[in-house]
Amino acid sequence: AQKITQTQPGMFVQEKEAVTLDCTYDTSDPSYGLFWYKQPSSGEMIFLIYQGSYDQQNATEGRYSLNFQKARKSANLVISASQLGDSAMYFCAMREGGNTGKLIFGQGTTLQVKP
Amino acid sequence: ETGVTQTPRHLVMGMTNKKSLKCEQHLGHNAMYWYKQSAKKPLELMFVYNFKEQTENNSVPSRFSPECPNSSHLFLHLHTLQPEDSALYLCASSQGSEGRANYGYTFGSGTRLTVV
Repeated sequence: AQKITQTQPGMFVQEKEAVTLDCTYDTSDPSYGLFWYKQPSSGEMIFLIYQGSYDQQNATEGRYSLNFQKARKSANLVISASQLGDSAMYFCAMREGGNTGKLIFGQGTTLQVKP
Repeated sequence: ETGVTQTPRHLVMGMTNKKSLKCEQHLGHNAMYWYKQSAKKPLELMFVYNFKEQTENNSVPSRFSPECPNSSHLFLHLHTLQPEDSALYLCASSQGSEGRANYGYTFGSGTRLTVV
């Protein structure tokens, strides 16, 4: 069964510094997708970045990059040059490419950016 | 504007009330989902609809009754809820619920439900 684990309940980072949010996953499906979402206090889930299991390069989207280590089954999110507006809950999620295609989520990490 | 609209944003209901949550998307997606987000718990997938047909029900109590009249609208009918059902209910849509792993979900802003 697929599983997503985020071991950091809360993280602090100084404004303008980089921060890494950890995510490990487990699946037996060779085809899967990994996602990161941001959830501010308003509740909306905002898509940040996607990494496919067959992608050769790490995904990047602006200040977000995904450190994909397939052998270790990890997909850590790196946020560079943190901004106060980055303070939110961050969720790692995975979707298998098979028949179910469900998107399942980790427990989330609360990030607080200090001025 | 996310493309997925949920109403109401906040709802307080008694345990004997009947209410409905509404979700609407105009993204041309053909799959829609209900998730429950309780405090200190991961998001729990409740229901999946693909081309208006329910394809998944994750052992959700019958006091939650989903309805999907077309690919653009999804409802969650609530009756005789319990205080532990208080949570943020999120609706999402995607291009398809099967097959391609790179079809991400677009989420609404959620309905924050309080059962008193």
